[in-house]
Amino acid sequence: DTGVSQDPRHKITKRGQNVTFRCDPISEHNRLYWYRQTLGQGPEFLTYFQNEAQLEKSRLLSDRFSAERPKGSFSTLEIQRTEQGDSAMYLCASSPEGVSATIYFGEGSWLTVV
Amino acid sequence: GNSVTQMEGPVTLSEEAFLTINCTYTATGYPSLFWYVQYPGEGLQLLLKATKADDKGSNKGFEATYRKETTSFHLEKGSVQVSDSAVYFCALSGSSGNTPLVFGKGTRLSVIA
Repeated sequence: DTGVSQDPRHKITKRGQNVTFRCDPISEHNRLYWYRQTLGQGPEFLTYFQNEAQLEKSRLLSDRFSAERPKGSFSTLEIQRTEQGDSAMYLCASSPEGVSATIYFGEGSWLTVV
Repeated sequence: GNSVTQMEGPVTLSEEAFLTINCTYTATGYPSLFWYVQYPGEGLQLLLKATKADDKGSNKGFEATYRKETTSFHLEKGSVQVSDSAVYFCALSGSSGNTPLVFGKGTRLSVIA
């Protein structure tokens, strides 16, 4: 069990550029989540997948954000035309299916938009 | 909707002091409740959880009891150590099993020797 892996860990980009983050969940987990965390705040839910199906999206996920999980394994989160307000840590997590299943988090990807 | 409110920090304690971090929640049905911890420079780690009323979660000397009558899940530890310095997040997941975790804003704990 290698845990949830995220890449890159840090990304600095210029405003208006596109960025993509990758998440590799724990291999037997069929649920995958994306959260955003800003300084001094708790993680805020963005979206989640069960296998390859995207089941829920937060209102925080504007049309500049898109997430995919094409084969039900790894996932990508793309942010188009980045804005300074997108600067945050993007957390990926995974869990098995089931009520009260434990959700395991990766170490996050820090995004700084300059 | 579901929400979690936890006491604002930062909390600064001397080593071996008693810790309480308050957490209350609003939810329909019977949510599951969690405490996660985030050490400096690291990701979130599950500390403990409780899935039904009156359950007590415990781990590493930390405890929290699911109190439905007061909609609370306060985190306690009898004797904190410097290594407990971290940010602690209270969270809940809805009773249907199909809702993602909702987090509080976090409480930063600093323990000084």
